[in-house]
Amino acid sequence: DAKTTQPPSMDCAEGRAANLPCNHSTISGNEYVYWYRQIHSQGPQYIIHGLKNNETNEMASLIITEDRKSSTLILPHATLRDTAVYYCIVRVASGGGADGLTFGKGTHLIIQP
Amino acid sequence: DAGITQSPRHKVTETGTPVTLRCHQTENHRYMYWYRQDPGHGLRLIHYSYGVKDTDKGEVSDGYSVSRSKTEDFLLTLESATSSQTSVYFCAIRPTEKVYEQYFGPGTRLTVT
Repeated sequence: DAKTTQPPSMDCAEGRAANLPCNHSTISGNEYVYWYRQIHSQGPQYIIHGLKNNETNEMASLIITEDRKSSTLILPHATLRDTAVYYCIVRVASGGGADGLTFGKGTHLIIQP
Repeated sequence: DAGITQSPRHKVTETGTPVTLRCHQTENHRYMYWYRQDPGHGLRLIHYSYGVKDTDKGEVSDGYSVSRSKTEDFLLTLESATSSQTSVYFCAIRPTEKVYEQYFGPGTRLTVT
């Protein structure tokens, strides 16, 4: 799996868009970008994934650069409940059981009131 | 919450004693996973299952065994607990049709003294 690099922490004002970057310069053509988050003392929560096109769902948007070497997760209107550690994960989607996820240290996003 | 429960939620045990953690799901998903989370290491895959009686090792399987005799239950056993196994343990499931999404339980905090 390709290595990812994320800033250790970020602040964002409540109501503003939170933009979380992730570098994955060694990503290969069949690897997807996944984002999860973990609110304190809870299990991780899936947010969104993408291969090369930008994606949007009810939680967030994912912008992947054309060369796929980096991506940005966007929370359009951050709330205090979005304070969490956000993990960017890159890996092949095997479709079988052997698709356990490897979480790095992620970005601790703190939403300020 | 994908119908995942873990028991116990907290446990303190002594070195050398056997410990079994239970993950229970209510939605008959085929794929189930056990992870551990430690400061500085993120989440790491211990074992996974792709069906009843079908299991395999993950990244950090030494000292752990698993069993899955029913679709709904995935058990993680520490045959002889050690202090290095003090951790938070998370169970996860993956719906067969959602290759990219895993759903996590609330976690079990295990302390080995």
